[in-house]
This record gives sequence, C-alpha cells and structure tokens, in this order.
Amino acid sequence: EILMTQSPATLSVSPGERATLSCRASQSVTTNLAWYQQKPGQAPRLLIYGASTRATGFPARFSGSGSGTEFTLTISSLQSEDFAVYYCQQYNDWPLTFGPGTKVNIK
Amino acid sequence: QITLKESGPTLVKPTQTLTLTCTVSGFSLSTTGVGVGWIRQPPGKALEWLALIFWDDDKRYRPSLKRRLSITKDTSKNQVVLTMTNMDPVDTGTYYCAHWGFGVYSLDVWGQGTTVTVSS
Repeated sequence: EILMTQSPATLSVSPGERATLSCRASQSVTTNLAWYQQKPGQAPRLLIYGASTRATGFPARFSGSGSGTEFTLTISSLQSEDFAVYYCQQYNDWPLTFGPGTKVNIK
Repeated sequence: QITLKESGPTLVKPTQTLTLTCTVSGFSLSTTGVGVGWIRQPPGKALEWLALIFWDDDKRYRPSLKRRLSITKDTSKNQVVLTMTNMDPVDTGTYYCAHWGFGVYSLDVWGQGTTVTVSS
C-alpha cells in the first residue's frame, strides 16, 4: 500500500497571501495524483488531477505540480472561500490512498 | 449533470451488516471507463477509500477490509450497493459514493454522504 503524507497538518494564512501545501508518496506514483478540497459539513470536491490539471469550477489561483513522490498544491492568493481541508490522493496503484489532509486556517 | 446520492440506515448495531445504496444519474453504469467508488470518513478524521466497481464489473477493495466488503451494481436501476459485514463502533462515520471519471482517473463527482453510527 502506498502511504501518503502531507505537510503541514495546519497552515495559517492571511487572505491574499500565498499558501503552499506538500504531499509525499512512499513510492513513485508518477503523476497519478489528485487533490481534493473539503469544507466543513460538505463532501470533498476534486480540485486537481494528473498532478497539475485543474478540475472544472476551480480558478487559476489553484495550481498543482510535482511527479514521482513529491507534490505541491499552491494557492496563489487565498480568498475567504479557500479556507478548507485539502487532501491528496494517489491512483497509481490499488488500494487508492489519501493523505491525512492539510487544514488551511485564517490567520 | 452527474449526481450521486447515498442512502441507508443511520444507526446499526455492532456485528450487524450495513447496506448502503448509491443512486446515480447523469451517466450510465455500463459506459466504458466509468466506475463508482465508496469512501468513508470517521468524525474529524481523514478520508479512507473502501471499494470501487467499474463498468465491466471489475471490483477493487481496500485489502484490510476486503473480507467484510462487497460492492455490486444494478445498471437497470442506476444503483451501486456496498455491504459491510460485522460492523463495529470504529466503522462510525460519513460514507460517500463518488464517480470515477474516465480520462480523469479519479473521483470527480461525489455524493453528499450519509452518516452511519454503530452503537448498541
């Protein structure tokens, strides 16, 4: 099973600032990596797939990068609606595995 | 527009079997490349993938839960059913079903989730 880790666990950011979230896989997942956004009381939403392709409905301030075992989600200028928990997930191999999440808080 | 909706009991007793139904619309369960997966989330914790069934009836399970899980689909009813045997309080949480997108190869549309509590 591929273990996914995320850092930091919590990130406190002021609106308008840049946020950088990291995700690491225990073995290479090439670019078979997705990011999800989850707000309190809501289902997760697919944000990024293929490590860097934005899903429908998300603005360009969200970007994903990386390959192999190291991945980054960047939010260039945080808006109020971006405060949420972000999960990475690999789909290179079964079982599908999620990271523990990064909570982005208002500073 | 693709939508998914979970249904099932909100409360089950320990050792009982949980049966959850995901009713889908906006796509066919027989379309090449399509899949539906189940994911759960204990209160305040991370997401955990459980199972996924593809258009061709290929099934994948979380290895640690494989003995307890069964996933099936009824294409005519547009439903995917997950059963989990021998429920335990640690199985308490929100259960989601999600569409596996062909070409996207990830869980691109999610249901709203259904909360299951395991308690005597």
